[in-house]
Amino acid sequence: SQELEQSPQSLIVQEGKNLTINCTSSKTLYGLYWYKQKYGEGLIFLMMLQKGGEEKSHEKITAKLDEKKQQSSLHITASQPSHAGIYLCGADPNFGNEKLTFGTGTRLTIIP
Amino acid sequence: DAGVIQSPRHEVTEMGQEVTLRCKPISGHNSLFWYRQTMMRGLELLIYFNNNVPIDDSGMPEDRFSAKMPNASFSTLKIQPSEPRDSAVYFCASTWDRPPYPFFGQGTRLTVV
Repeated sequence: SQELEQSPQSLIVQEGKNLTINCTSSKTLYGLYWYKQKYGEGLIFLMMLQKGGEEKSHEKITAKLDEKKQQSSLHITASQPSHAGIYLCGADPNFGNEKLTFGTGTRLTIIP
Repeated sequence: DAGVIQSPRHEVTEMGQEVTLRCKPISGHNSLFWYRQTMMRGLELLIYFNNNVPIDDSGMPEDRFSAKMPNASFSTLKIQPSEPRDSAVYFCASTWDRPPYPFFGQGTRLTVV
């Protein structure tokens, strides 16, 4: 089965600073999803990456997929308190709407 | 659309009791997933339905767990008998082919004492 490892497990960043979260897969990535979770709430979809080298941005969040390294990165520019939460990467082994497995999550704390 | 709706949001029950969690997927979605989230194991896929048919239940921990999807708008996850180690947040998610990413419900926080 596909395993996803995220790093770091937790991150404390001062407001306004940039940060990067990584997600590494044990197998080839055919599709990669990024979700955000606030405490006590469900997962909110952020972005989906399908092709090697693909890069997507939404507001101040940018995600990139590196197929050769079986890795994806999530970069936040000029972090804000609203960015705080748990970020999870997910992957579908065949990108066919089947079993979606998730990484261990990265807990992000923003200090004012 | 109201999104994926789960009930109850919180459930506290005594060990040995039966627990039923409910999920209403987004209208028109044809795939439904049940996940369990704990601090130790993270987010685990329990079972996956497609067009109301269970496709993969290899994540169901043991026979005490069962899931049904009698129609396209309703699914249940039942634990009988419940044990303290079942305490977790249980999420239901649904999706369609386009987009293929699951939409998650708010979860049910289960505490077995």
